[in-house]
Amino acid sequence: DAGVIQSPRHEVTEMGQEVTLRCKPISGHNSLFWYRQTMMRGLELLIYFNNNVPIDDSGMPEDRFSAKMPNASFSTLKIQPSEPRDSAVYFCAASRYNEQFFGPGTRLTVL
Amino acid sequence: DAKTTQPNSMESNEEEPVHLPCNHSTISGTDYIHWYRQLPSQGPEYVIHGLTSNVNNRMASLAIAEDRKSSTLILHRATLRDAAVYYCILQRGTGGTSYGKLTFGQGTILTVHP
Repeated sequence: DAGVIQSPRHEVTEMGQEVTLRCKPISGHNSLFWYRQTMMRGLELLIYFNNNVPIDDSGMPEDRFSAKMPNASFSTLKIQPSEPRDSAVYFCAASRYNEQFFGPGTRLTVL
Repeated sequence: DAKTTQPNSMESNEEEPVHLPCNHSTISGTDYIHWYRQLPSQGPEYVIHGLTSNVNNRMASLAIAEDRKSSTLILHRATLRDAAVYYCILQRGTGGTSYGKLTFGQGTILTVHP
């Protein structure tokens, strides 16, 4: 099993541009989580899905952020428009029972 | 969500045991105690979890106080690869399974000296 796959691994963009981060969870793991990590705020949960349905999006910072999970094998996190303060490492994680498996993360830099 | 308190940092020597403490005095009866670690430039990695009884796996042991207000992660023989940030997290459980949501604190930075 390849584990959780995230793409791209690195993204550099300019302020105002749309950014889309992608995640392919582990097959059969029906919960999916998006986290953001910065030095200032640590690791924060943005949103999570169970069986492709968003359960808790209270961590999504503002309307510029949106997440979708159209099927069990794919999820996206979109930022539109992006701002420099969105620069962070974004992690996707998948879970079936108690353990969450994290992907390698996407390092986003907004100039 | 119930909070956890961990020391900011700890140091150990290679091949020695490490005891990482965690206080969670406001833990509720259905909260599971989880430990994750994050190695440099990697995503967090599950280490161990438990509810009431002590737990052992190939990575570590988890010792849970009888009143459940504290726990200790035990690495039996630290290696240089164990240098990481260790997070103690309470996860709300229902019906005997963890509910899923994890709230990460600042964790403990473990330094292992050769």
